[in-house]
Amino acid sequence: DTGVSQDPRHKITKRGQNVTFRCDPISEHNRLYWYRQTLGQGPEFLTYFQNEAQLEKSRLLSDRFSAERPKGSFSTLEIQRTEQGDSAMYLCASSLVLAGIEQFFGPGTRLTVL
Amino acid sequence: DAKTTQPNSMESNEEEPVHLPCNHSTISGTDYIHWYRQLPSQGPEYVIHGLTSNVNNRMASLAIAEDRKSSTLILHRATLRDAAVYYCILSLGAGGTSYGKLTFGQGTILTVHP
Repeated sequence: DTGVSQDPRHKITKRGQNVTFRCDPISEHNRLYWYRQTLGQGPEFLTYFQNEAQLEKSRLLSDRFSAERPKGSFSTLEIQRTEQGDSAMYLCASSLVLAGIEQFFGPGTRLTVL
Repeated sequence: DAKTTQPNSMESNEEEPVHLPCNHSTISGTDYIHWYRQLPSQGPEYVIHGLTSNVNNRMASLAIAEDRKSSTLILHRATLRDAAVYYCILSLGAGGTSYGKLTFGQGTILTVHP
């Protein structure tokens, strides 16, 4: 399977703990996006990278959230000091600029903060 | 970001055509119109996109009004597998590429009856 993969698929944590999610984009896709989706809502943009550079961050992304894409391939999203309001599905997507406008989404990581 | 307006829900019968409307009266000249859908427990999936002209692909057709203030996604023969949330999204594009960020609304929940 050469699609976007995310790990873990599910994460349960206690309030105040740190969590890290990983996204592996489709090989050679140079853009990588993170979105968050709460129940009954559409996905909400968080941030995106082109290669290693983080080009945009949502104003909604608090300083407890940090994302990296160190070698322009996989990406990690870390949430520090988790809060119950962070419970959501975290979606990753990738695309290849100039090869098309389509974003390919992964299956998501469901985070539950107790 | 320019906003879209979609009906909360629509219903269809299997093997009948479905027309999903979207209003985007504040669209700018460089905004692309995207449609994604999200099946239960999955990440969103690209359906189709367009700028000014009507578009067809293997999944659907996109009809864009002449003034670009509205569009319609057409599923020619609905199947049970088409039951999903359909999102109409505008994204800024320039020079044939998109700036990438997708701003999802709440979408239209499509129910397909056997």
